[in-house]
Amino acid sequence: AQKITQTQPGMFVQEKEAVTLDCTYDTSDQSYGLFWYKQPSSGEMIFLIYQGSYDEQNATEGRYSLNFQKARKSANLVISASQLGDSAMYFCAMREVFGNEKLTFGTGTRLTIIP
Amino acid sequence: DVKVTQSSRYLVKRTGEKVFLECVQDMDHENMFWYRQDPGLGLRLIYFSYDVKMKEKGDIPEGYSVSREKKERFSLILESASTNQTSMYLCASSLYWMTGRYNEQFFGPGTRLTVL
Repeated sequence: AQKITQTQPGMFVQEKEAVTLDCTYDTSDQSYGLFWYKQPSSGEMIFLIYQGSYDEQNATEGRYSLNFQKARKSANLVISASQLGDSAMYFCAMREVFGNEKLTFGTGTRLTIIP
Repeated sequence: DVKVTQSSRYLVKRTGEKVFLECVQDMDHENMFWYRQDPGLGLRLIYFSYDVKMKEKGDIPEGYSVSREKKERFSLILESASTNQTSMYLCASSLYWMTGRYNEQFFGPGTRLTVL
């Protein structure tokens, strides 16, 4: 069975600093996809970034990048130059690629940016 | 602009009541999902549907049922609400997996249900 582990329940980071949110996963599948979502206090889940298991390069989307280490089964989210608006819950999730739409989510990390 | 809407942001019900949570998406997505979110547990999948009138159990289906009579609408039903079903409920939708690369799920704003 798939499992996602986020070991940081909460983090406090100074504004403009970079921050890394940890995510490790466990799967016996060779093909899978990894997602990061942001959930502000408003409650809506916002898709941030995706990494496929066969992607050779780490995914990047603006200030977000994914540090994908397949052998270690980790997919850490890196946010560069953090902003006050980055304060939110962040969830890592995994999906089998072929024919299975289900996402398995981690327990989340609450990130607070300090001015 | 893609959109998933949920019928209520906040709902208060009494134990034993039948509760309907409605979700509508306007993106012509094949797949729809219902999750519940609890502190320290993340999101857990209750049910999902990959086509009209089709449904599959997720990880925690007990005490819930679903209905999908139209492609754009997916309802979550609590047949007899209990206090342990007090939670945040999130609906999501996505394209059929072969359609796109990411097939990310798009989420609604959530319904915070309190059962007294």
